[in-house]
Amino acid sequence: DAMVIQNPRYQVTQFGKPVTLSCSQTLNHNVMYWYQQKSSQAPKLLFHYYDKDFNNEADTPDNFQSRRPNTSFCFLDIRSPGLGDAAMYLCATSRVGGNLRETQYFGPGTRLLVL
Amino acid sequence: AQTVTQSQPEMSVQEAETVTLSCTYDTSESDYYLFWYKQPPSRQMILVIRQEAYKQQNATENRFSVNFQKAAKSFSLKISDSQLGDAAMYFCAYPGATNKLIFGTGTLLAVQP
Repeated sequence: DAMVIQNPRYQVTQFGKPVTLSCSQTLNHNVMYWYQQKSSQAPKLLFHYYDKDFNNEADTPDNFQSRRPNTSFCFLDIRSPGLGDAAMYLCATSRVGGNLRETQYFGPGTRLLVL
Repeated sequence: AQTVTQSQPEMSVQEAETVTLSCTYDTSESDYYLFWYKQPPSRQMILVIRQEAYKQQNATENRFSVNFQKAAKSFSLKISDSQLGDAAMYFCAYPGATNKLIFGTGTLLAVQP
């Protein structure tokens, strides 16, 4: 019973060629997050959607964009990938409202390789 | 600012033994959650255990338990009867505003047969 699904699991792209990573969820959670994780480091939040509201982290490069067309899906777009963008990209979801802050559930991740 | 600190980059334990991973955090909030996540070589982030700060009782999930010291802002994870499958990176995490997770730097746990 997959709850947070990420496609593809592995993505190879060329330097400067736009790429889109996909995340979907069956939990009906109102918040979706995108994290970037490089080897031997903790995940770093890029941005999140609280319902339809997009929230960008201050240090997220402009090269990274996101779309959330509906509750279930969220996309990460990298407009011009550089070698430094090679990483694992993790999608997560949770339910948030008022004082409620529930557990975040993660997808299996997409490993991005930039050639 | 909210921070999470894991002071043990690596730990090792013998199979069937017990190991404790340390975590400290800083926050001005009084009501919050704390999490331990496990990340095996597959890189899937798996929730291990969750503690609610307003609960006095330490959370327990099978072989995993926490020692939560709210005043000291300490949240350690104890793994009993360690198994080979417990080998992974373990992250302590605090949910900040809109529940975005603030992670510690992680502890890499090796389990020796």
